[in-house]
Amino acid sequence: IAGITQAPTSQILAAGRRMTLRCTQDMRHNAMYWYRQDLGLGLRLIHYSNTAGTTGKGEVPDGYSVSRANTDDFPLTLASAVPSQTSVYFCASSGSVDTGELFFGEGSRLTVL
Amino acid sequence: GESVGLHLPTLSVQEGDNSIINCAYSNSASDYFIWYKQESGKGPQFIIDIRSNMDKRQGQRVTVLLNKTVKHLSLQIAATQPGDSAVYFCAENNKGPRGDDKIIFGKGTRLHILP
Repeated sequence: IAGITQAPTSQILAAGRRMTLRCTQDMRHNAMYWYRQDLGLGLRLIHYSNTAGTTGKGEVPDGYSVSRANTDDFPLTLASAVPSQTSVYFCASSGSVDTGELFFGEGSRLTVL
Repeated sequence: GESVGLHLPTLSVQEGDNSIINCAYSNSASDYFIWYKQESGKGPQFIIDIRSNMDKRQGQRVTVLLNKTVKHLSLQIAATQPGDSAVYFCAENNKGPRGDDKIIFGKGTRLHILP
């Protein structure tokens, strides 16, 4: 049982480089989310998608883009990474927008130097 | 503005005692509120949620209370165990501009269990 798979688990990246964090779920969930978690700031929503083909901006969308070409995949792209984007990134999915139950991946730790 | 926050960043509780974790919210339009548990090095795990038309909901060893008058949410854990050590987050659903749902998290409370 895979659930939600994130890749890479960890990455060190030079500032200015482009990076895509991958997220795949096998639960056929409609809604997917990307959060970043920094020490003392909890989880902050970057982008979300309630269904394939639609996306929305969260609390901290600047510097990030997403796409939702199909139900299973929700990649997060940093077009030109900056040190302030050093964080742990969590992808999550939900089978229904009527419940608060999100299923999270194990996270991707990104360090931008 | 929209925000979900917590009263205390750290809570220490004796093993076997009950734990109460509190949360304040500001968005009266949220349809439901949720509690998550995050253990070190892992992603958050769903504990329990409560719809805005309810004031109490019980699960296994946990109870969530919602007071809409003062915009306050609490999570009660009965007979706290060492395995309850974690960071606990409250969260709420916010409606986006198209009426779509997004889940917004508060900052978290670390629960420390004393032997």
